[in-house]
Amino acid sequence: DVKVTQSSRYLVKRTGEKVFLECVQDMDHENMFWYRQDPGLGLRLIYFSYDVKMKEKGDIPEGYSVSREKKERFSLILESASTNQTSMYLCASSWSGLTDTQYFGPGTRLTVL
Amino acid sequence: AQTVTQSQPEMSVQEAETVTLSCTYDTSESDYYLFWYKQPPSRQMILVIRQEAYKQQNATENRFSVNFQKAAKSFSLKISDSQLGDAAMYFCAYRPSNSGYALNFGKGTSLLVTP
Repeated sequence: DVKVTQSSRYLVKRTGEKVFLECVQDMDHENMFWYRQDPGLGLRLIYFSYDVKMKEKGDIPEGYSVSREKKERFSLILESASTNQTSMYLCASSWSGLTDTQYFGPGTRLTVL
Repeated sequence: AQTVTQSQPEMSVQEAETVTLSCTYDTSESDYYLFWYKQPPSRQMILVIRQEAYKQQNATENRFSVNFQKAAKSFSLKISDSQLGDAAMYFCAYRPSNSGYALNFGKGTSLLVTP
């Protein structure tokens, strides 16, 4: 079975802190994604990566950056956390085929105080 | 940009009954892919069913089936013989065939299953 893991289920940070959210997949997937999920808004794409060191902005990249130094790991970075970044963050991965399923991690509930 | 609309924020169904969740999308593409994802209260999102737009036949997976109407840009999910374990948020998602691999999601429908 494909496994996508995220470093924390719950995280509490203070405004202005630098925050790292880590995602690891064990199926050698080329593509990895970071989504943000908010009630009533569904999932919105922050960034995705289709290869090591490659990244593309999604719909809401402002305030975020990403890093993919190894194929299995995709990190989301909040350079200076703000209260409006309090949310559920979901990581996903997939192979390169267009119909290929995206496999999701369990999510990280981030609260910024 | 493509948009995906789920007009039912919440739905309720009794066990063993059938329920249909609605999804419409807006696109100028002719080739694309559609998905339904389920997110149970434990929060791990999983794929329920997918449909390729070039296929006229509606996809089915056990108790789950879709009604895909390309001209109407409609992609509804039917759940037959509903079970308590079907209670979850359901998201409809769209992916064009020629522009990347990310999904465009609807806002979701919360399905409650009552005994």
